[in-house]
Amino acid sequence: KNQVEQSPQSLIILEGKNCTLQCNYTVSPFSNLRWYKQDTGRGPVSLTIMTFSENTKSNGRYTATLDADTKQSSLHITASQLSDSASYICVVSVGRAAGNKLTFGGGTRVLVKP
Amino acid sequence: SAVISQKPSRDICQRGTSLTIQCQVDSQVTMMFWYRQQPGQSLTLIATANQGSEATYESGFVIDKFPISRPNLTFSTLTVSNMSPEDSSIYLCSAKGPGTDTQYFGPGTRLTVL
Repeated sequence: KNQVEQSPQSLIILEGKNCTLQCNYTVSPFSNLRWYKQDTGRGPVSLTIMTFSENTKSNGRYTATLDADTKQSSLHITASQLSDSASYICVVSVGRAAGNKLTFGGGTRVLVKP
Repeated sequence: SAVISQKPSRDICQRGTSLTIQCQVDSQVTMMFWYRQQPGQSLTLIATANQGSEATYESGFVIDKFPISRPNLTFSTLTVSNMSPEDSSIYLCSAKGPGTDTQYFGPGTRLTVL
C-alpha cells in the first residue's frame, strides 16, 4: 500500500530558529516528491518538487532534501518567521503516466512564536 | 502558474440538502481534481474531473453522492448531495496544466452540515 508518513505531527519553534520536518514514503513506482505549505483556511501551495535524481532543492528559506534509496525527505526551514506558521504536507506522485496519483502525508503543523 | 478560485468559500447547510461548489481556473489546464480535507486530516482525492465526460471516482466515492461536471477546460463543479454532518469538510479544487507536474490548489470551500 502506498503510504507517506510525516513527523513530527506538530511542533512549536521560536521566531528566528531553524527546524526540520521529516517525510518517509513507501510508494511505487515513485515519480516525484513535493512539499506543500497550507495556511489555515487556504489551499496548499507548492514549495518544492523533486524527481528521483534530485537530492536537494531550495525555495527561499525552505530547503528540501530527498534520499531515494532510503525513501526519505526532509524540509528545512531557516530563520523561521511568524508567517511560516502553517501545515506542511509531503506529497508523493505515484506512477509514470501523465495522470500520476498523489499520495498525501498527514502534514506537520508548525507554529512559530515570537 | 494557475490561479484557482472557488465559490462559495464557505457554507452552512441543512441535512438532506445539496450544495454545488464551483471551481474556475484562470488558464487552460489539462487535468482538474476534487479533494476533500476532513478536520485535522490531510487531503483525499474524490475524483478527477474529465472534460466533456463522466468523472473518474476514487474508491469510496460515487457519482450519485458527488456528481461532477467539467463543461470546458477551465471550469468544474462538484455537488455534495443529500448532505449529512459527516460531509462537513473542506472541499478543494485542484488543477494541473500542460507541460508541468505542479498541481495547483484552490482556496477550498468550508462546508458545515447541521
